[in-house]
Amino acid sequence: AQKITQTQPGMFVQEKEAVTLDCTYDTSDPSYGLFWYKQPSSGEMIFLIYQGSYDQQNATEGRYSLNFQKARKSANLVISASQLGDSAMYFCAMREGGMNSGYSTLTFGKGTMLLVSP
Amino acid sequence: NAGVMQNPRHLVRRRGQEARLRCSPMKGHSHVYWYRQLPEEGLKFMVYLQKENIIDESGMPKERFSAEFPKEGPSILRIQQVVRGDSAAYFCASSPEGEAFFGQGTRLTVV
Repeated sequence: AQKITQTQPGMFVQEKEAVTLDCTYDTSDPSYGLFWYKQPSSGEMIFLIYQGSYDQQNATEGRYSLNFQKARKSANLVISASQLGDSAMYFCAMREGGMNSGYSTLTFGKGTMLLVSP
Repeated sequence: NAGVMQNPRHLVRRRGQEARLRCSPMKGHSHVYWYRQLPEEGLKFMVYLQKENIIDESGMPKERFSAEFPKEGPSILRIQQVVRGDSAAYFCASSPEGEAFFGQGTRLTVV
């Protein structure tokens, strides 16, 4: 079974609008972390946001927020006020085991291509 | 504090040649992870190393691929006798413990 599922191969949004990128995950480990990365056309992996399984509040980082619904095993990324520079591939990833377990192997989804139009 | 450095950024090899990809972790980081990204796919874990030790190589192909992280110098991912299917982006990440920081990747093209 897929551990990380991103069902949207591509998304289109107009500049200044908000967009939600979906991510569902599958794990039996009670301690895990969820990550979102942005990969622009230049290819580097840019860390955006992290949510721990025990975190009480949804993570936010500037225009990025993570809509964490633990019972549904979903960790959707919300980008508010989209900008042209947000056009990129977005990957959801999961690490099983706590952040301090010293082991940081990530399992990635297949990604969602976001295109922001003027 | 420089980030994770990978070189070369782009590498072209003919079928049958060897490819060597280098990764210098961030200063003070003793954990290195290698991932492979095939075209239009997410990253897939290959191997996790600490200095002079391979901790987890469950994602490494059984043949032609090897990795090392010596006491001195960068981590090396070595692919022998490359085939077209090895064409991919190879990312290295390093961490002290916990959160991993990615390099910019090496794009390997086998012709």
